[in-house]
Amino acid sequence: NAGVMQNPRHLVRRRGQEARLRCSPMKGHSHVYWYRQLPEEGLKFMVYLQKENIIDESGMPKERFSAEFPKEGPSILRIQQVVRGDSAAYFCASSHGQGGNYGYTFGSGTRLTVV
Amino acid sequence: AQTVTQSQPEMSVQEAETVTLSCTYDTSESDYYLFWYKQPPSRQMILVIRQEAYKQQNATENRFSVNFQKAAKSFSLKISDSQLGDAAMYFCAYRINNDMRFGAGTRLTVKP
Repeated sequence: NAGVMQNPRHLVRRRGQEARLRCSPMKGHSHVYWYRQLPEEGLKFMVYLQKENIIDESGMPKERFSAEFPKEGPSILRIQQVVRGDSAAYFCASSHGQGGNYGYTFGSGTRLTVV
Repeated sequence: AQTVTQSQPEMSVQEAETVTLSCTYDTSESDYYLFWYKQPPSRQMILVIRQEAYKQQNATENRFSVNFQKAAKSFSLKISDSQLGDAAMYFCAYRINNDMRFGAGTRLTVKP
Protein backbone atom coordinates (compact mmCIF):
# COMPACT_ATOMS: atom_id res chain seq x y z
CA ASN A 1 0.00 0.00 0.00
CA ALA A 2 1.70 3.16 -1.22
CA GLY A 3 -0.06 5.46 1.22
CA VAL A 4 -1.19 8.94 0.26
CA MET A 5 0.79 10.17 -2.72
CA GLN A 6 1.23 13.84 -3.40
CA ASN A 7 3.02 15.39 -6.33
CA PRO A 8 4.94 17.33 -7.06
CA ARG A 9 6.96 17.48 -3.88
CA HIS A 10 8.18 20.95 -4.71
CA LEU A 11 6.57 23.44 -7.05
CA VAL A 12 7.86 26.84 -8.04
CA ARG A 13 5.56 29.28 -9.80
CA ARG A 14 5.87 32.89 -10.82
CA ARG A 15 3.26 35.35 -9.67
CA GLY A 16 0.18 35.11 -11.87
CA GLN A 17 0.74 31.51 -12.94
CA GLU A 18 -1.43 28.56 -12.03
CA ALA A 19 -0.46 25.86 -9.55
CA ARG A 20 -1.93 22.35 -9.71
CA LEU A 21 -1.35 20.04 -6.79
CA ARG A 22 -2.25 16.38 -7.01
CA CYS A 23 -3.20 13.89 -4.35
CA SER A 24 -3.89 10.17 -4.71
CA PRO A 25 -5.52 8.82 -1.53
CA MET A 26 -4.71 5.52 0.07
CA LYS A 27 -6.26 2.53 -1.61
CA GLY A 28 -9.77 2.07 -0.30
CA HIS A 29 -10.06 5.63 1.04
CA SER A 30 -12.82 7.73 -0.46
CA HIS A 31 -12.47 10.84 1.70
CA VAL A 32 -9.85 13.47 0.93
CA TYR A 33 -8.86 16.56 2.91
CA TRP A 34 -6.57 19.42 1.96
CA TYR A 35 -4.64 21.46 4.51
CA ARG A 36 -2.27 24.40 4.22
CA GLN A 37 0.71 24.90 6.50
CA LEU A 38 2.48 28.22 6.72
CA PRO A 39 6.02 28.27 8.19
CA GLU A 40 6.09 27.62 11.95
CA GLU A 41 2.33 27.13 12.05
CA GLY A 42 -0.05 24.22 12.33
CA LEU A 43 -2.16 22.82 9.54
CA LYS A 44 -5.21 24.83 8.52
CA PHE A 45 -8.18 23.02 7.01
CA MET A 46 -9.08 24.02 3.48
CA VAL A 47 -11.49 21.57 1.91
CA TYR A 48 -13.01 18.10 2.34
CA LEU A 49 -14.08 16.04 -0.66
CA GLN A 50 -15.56 12.70 -1.45
CA LYS A 51 -15.62 11.22 -4.92
CA GLU A 52 -17.11 13.84 -7.27
CA ASN A 53 -18.40 15.94 -4.38
CA ILE A 54 -17.16 18.84 -2.31
CA ILE A 55 -18.47 18.28 1.19
CA ASP A 56 -16.95 21.21 3.06
CA GLU A 57 -14.93 24.04 1.54
CA SER A 58 -15.26 26.45 4.43
CA GLY A 59 -11.50 26.81 4.82
CA MET A 60 -10.73 27.55 1.21
CA PRO A 61 -10.44 31.11 -0.09
CA LYS A 62 -13.42 32.01 -2.26
CA GLU A 63 -11.30 33.31 -5.11
CA ARG A 64 -8.52 31.67 -7.11
CA PHE A 65 -8.71 28.36 -5.23
CA SER A 66 -10.64 25.30 -6.35
CA ALA A 67 -10.57 21.60 -5.63
CA GLU A 68 -11.94 18.49 -7.24
CA PHE A 69 -11.93 14.76 -6.69
CA PRO A 70 -13.12 13.12 -9.90
CA LYS A 71 -14.51 9.64 -10.21
CA GLU A 72 -11.26 8.52 -11.76
CA GLY A 73 -7.87 9.93 -10.92
CA PRO A 74 -6.37 11.99 -8.14
CA SER A 75 -7.77 14.90 -6.24
CA ILE A 76 -6.56 18.24 -7.58
CA LEU A 77 -6.09 21.49 -5.70
CA ARG A 78 -5.79 24.34 -8.15
CA ILE A 79 -4.60 27.83 -7.38
CA GLN A 80 -5.03 30.35 -10.15
CA GLN A 81 -3.01 33.56 -10.51
CA VAL A 82 -0.76 32.69 -7.58
CA VAL A 83 0.56 35.40 -5.29
CA ARG A 84 3.49 35.36 -2.87
CA GLY A 85 1.13 34.77 0.05
CA ASP A 86 0.18 31.40 -1.44
CA SER A 87 3.67 30.10 -0.67
CA ALA A 88 3.17 27.30 1.83
CA ALA A 89 3.18 23.55 2.25
CA TYR A 90 -0.06 21.94 1.12
CA PHE A 91 -0.95 18.61 2.65
CA CYS A 92 -3.49 16.10 1.54
CA ALA A 93 -4.95 13.47 3.86
CA SER A 94 -7.35 10.64 3.26
CA SER A 95 -9.55 8.48 5.42
CA HIS A 96 -11.72 5.43 5.08
CA GLY A 97 -14.82 7.05 6.49
CA GLN A 98 -16.17 10.17 8.02
CA GLY A 99 -15.88 11.00 11.64
CA GLY A 100 -15.28 8.76 14.55
CA ASN A 101 -12.01 7.07 15.11
CA TYR A 102 -11.01 6.98 11.48
CA GLY A 103 -7.54 8.41 11.50
CA TYR A 104 -6.23 10.52 8.70
CA THR A 105 -3.29 9.34 6.64
CA PHE A 106 -1.26 12.26 5.37
CA GLY A 107 0.83 12.64 2.27
CA SER A 108 4.28 14.20 2.37
CA GLY A 109 2.98 17.51 1.15
CA THR A 110 3.72 19.83 -1.74
CA ARG A 111 5.82 22.87 -0.98
CA LEU A 112 4.70 25.71 -3.20
CA THR A 113 7.02 28.65 -3.67
CA VAL A 114 5.80 31.69 -5.52
CA VAL A 115 8.55 33.91 -6.87
CA ALA B 1 -15.58 27.43 17.38
CA GLN B 2 -13.16 24.71 18.20
CA THR B 3 -9.64 25.81 18.99
CA VAL B 4 -6.54 23.89 19.95
CA THR B 5 -3.79 25.58 21.96
CA GLN B 6 -0.24 24.39 22.40
CA SER B 7 1.37 26.80 24.82
CA GLN B 8 4.94 25.55 24.40
CA PRO B 9 6.47 26.64 21.07
CA GLU B 10 9.68 24.79 21.91
CA MET B 11 10.72 22.07 24.34
CA SER B 12 13.99 20.35 24.98
CA VAL B 13 14.74 17.00 26.61
CA GLN B 14 17.85 15.00 27.37
CA GLU B 15 18.10 11.65 25.64
CA ALA B 16 16.55 8.87 27.77
CA GLU B 17 14.63 11.38 29.88
CA THR B 18 10.88 12.06 29.92
CA VAL B 19 9.14 15.10 28.49
CA THR B 20 5.52 16.25 28.52
CA LEU B 21 3.97 18.39 25.79
CA SER B 22 0.83 20.27 26.72
CA CYS B 23 -2.34 20.80 24.74
CA THR B 24 -5.67 22.35 25.61
CA TYR B 25 -8.74 22.65 23.46
CA ASP B 26 -12.05 24.40 23.52
CA THR B 27 -15.28 22.73 22.51
CA SER B 28 -18.90 22.44 23.50
CA GLU B 29 -19.15 18.91 22.13
CA SER B 30 -19.05 15.82 24.32
CA ASP B 31 -18.08 13.21 21.75
CA TYR B 32 -14.90 13.84 19.81
CA TYR B 33 -11.42 12.49 19.16
CA LEU B 34 -7.99 13.79 19.97
CA PHE B 35 -4.70 13.06 18.25
CA TRP B 36 -1.02 13.79 18.46
CA TYR B 37 0.90 13.97 15.22
CA LYS B 38 4.64 14.12 14.74
CA GLN B 39 6.22 16.03 11.87
CA PRO B 40 9.95 15.37 11.40
CA PRO B 41 12.07 17.46 9.01
CA SER B 42 10.86 15.24 6.17
CA ARG B 43 7.50 17.02 6.66
CA GLN B 44 5.60 13.73 6.78
CA MET B 45 2.73 13.89 9.27
CA ILE B 46 2.87 10.76 11.41
CA LEU B 47 0.10 9.75 13.77
CA VAL B 48 1.57 9.16 17.22
CA ILE B 49 -1.44 8.43 19.38
CA ARG B 50 -5.20 8.92 19.48
CA GLN B 51 -7.80 9.20 22.24
CA GLU B 52 -11.57 8.85 22.16
CA ALA B 53 -13.24 11.41 24.41
CA TYR B 54 -15.74 8.87 25.69
CA LYS B 55 -12.96 6.70 27.08
CA GLN B 56 -11.65 7.57 30.51
CA GLN B 57 -8.58 5.38 30.17
CA ASN B 58 -5.55 7.22 28.85
CA ALA B 59 -4.17 5.94 25.55
CA THR B 60 -0.69 4.45 25.46
CA GLU B 61 1.54 3.50 22.53
CA ASN B 62 4.89 2.12 23.65
CA ARG B 63 6.89 5.12 24.94
CA PHE B 64 4.08 7.55 24.22
CA SER B 65 1.16 8.13 26.56
CA VAL B 66 -1.41 10.82 27.11
CA ASN B 67 -2.94 12.47 30.13
CA PHE B 68 -6.51 13.19 29.07
CA GLN B 69 -8.44 15.44 31.41
CA LYS B 70 -11.85 15.88 29.80
CA ALA B 71 -13.27 18.34 32.33
CA ALA B 72 -10.20 20.53 32.02
CA LYS B 73 -10.10 20.01 28.23
CA SER B 74 -6.48 19.07 28.46
CA PHE B 75 -4.63 16.45 26.40
CA SER B 76 -0.92 16.28 27.15
CA LEU B 77 1.58 13.91 25.54
CA LYS B 78 4.27 12.20 27.59
CA ILE B 79 7.32 10.79 25.83
CA SER B 80 9.33 8.42 28.00
CA ASP B 81 12.92 7.34 27.39
CA SER B 82 13.32 10.03 24.73
CA GLN B 83 15.33 9.10 21.67
CA LEU B 84 17.14 11.25 19.13
CA GLY B 85 14.58 10.18 16.54
CA ASP B 86 11.82 11.79 18.59
CA ALA B 87 13.07 15.25 17.60
CA ALA B 88 10.32 16.82 15.52
CA MET B 89 7.38 19.18 15.55
CA TYR B 90 4.45 17.77 17.49
CA PHE B 91 0.91 18.81 16.71
CA CYS B 92 -2.13 18.23 18.87
CA ALA B 93 -5.38 17.83 16.94
CA TYR B 94 -9.06 17.68 17.74
CA ARG B 95 -11.57 16.02 15.47
CA ILE B 96 -15.34 15.82 15.28
CA ASN B 97 -16.82 14.35 12.12
CA ASN B 98 -14.86 15.72 9.17
CA ASP B 99 -13.51 18.73 11.04
CA MET B 100 -9.96 18.25 12.32
CA ARG B 101 -8.27 21.27 13.93
CA PHE B 102 -4.59 21.49 14.74
CA GLY B 103 -2.61 23.43 17.29
CA ALA B 104 0.35 25.56 16.26
CA GLY B 105 2.81 22.87 17.28
CA THR B 106 5.67 22.31 19.71
CA ARG B 107 9.20 21.87 18.42
CA LEU B 108 10.92 19.14 20.44
CA THR B 109 14.70 19.00 20.58
CA VAL B 110 16.43 15.91 21.98
CA LYS B 111 19.91 16.46 23.37
CA PRO B 112 22.37 13.54 23.24
